[in-house]
Amino acid sequence: QKEVEQNSGPLSVPEGAIASLNCTYSDRGSQSFFWYRQYSGKSPELIMSIYSNGDKEDGRFTAQLNKASQYVSLLIRDSQPSDSATYLCAVNAGNNRKLIWGLGTSLAVNP
Amino acid sequence: NAGVMQNPRHLVRRRGQEARLRCSPMKGHSHVYWYRQLPEEGLKFMVYLQKENIIDESGMPKERFSAEFPKEGPSILRIQQVVRGDSAAYFCASSSLEMNQPQHFGDGTRLSIL
Repeated sequence: QKEVEQNSGPLSVPEGAIASLNCTYSDRGSQSFFWYRQYSGKSPELIMSIYSNGDKEDGRFTAQLNKASQYVSLLIRDSQPSDSATYLCAVNAGNNRKLIWGLGTSLAVNP
Repeated sequence: NAGVMQNPRHLVRRRGQEARLRCSPMKGHSHVYWYRQLPEEGLKFMVYLQKENIIDESGMPKERFSAEFPKEGPSILRIQQVVRGDSAAYFCASSSLEMNQPQHFGDGTRLSIL
């Protein structure tokens, strides 16, 4: 059974701090990794995609991938109250377009 | 608007009726995915389709649920003889032909069963 695991949280950080969200996956054949943000009552919104080991930065967001350890993380610098949401990790199921989803980590950024 | 379009946004049905949910993929996308989400729960994969083909329906209940993506027109998720437990948010996502591309989501259809 291919799985993606995330801490459910809630993860609480003060405004301006770095929020660190982690995700582990079981399928060593996975090739593409995505972070989505979902506000309450809304649909998931793509934040970052990462395909190779290392860091990928986009504005205040940095995705980190370590295929040997089978984890992917998302760092949010200078966290804002508007970043408060559930963050979903999704991993492709090997050579397949179907994604395996984590249950999400709830992030609360306190003013 | 070139995004994923879902309609209706809200749908109310009585027990025993049929619900039809529609999804038009993003322009240039050829793959459609349907998900169900209950309040405070994770996304649950239902079915993955390409034009005129069901690729993977492993997450869809065997009875009362069906999906199609015809050559012309939107993808349809159909729920027959709805029950209270079908009340949920149903999201559609689409992706392009290239492998390893992300899925982009529509705003969803909130289905309520009276």
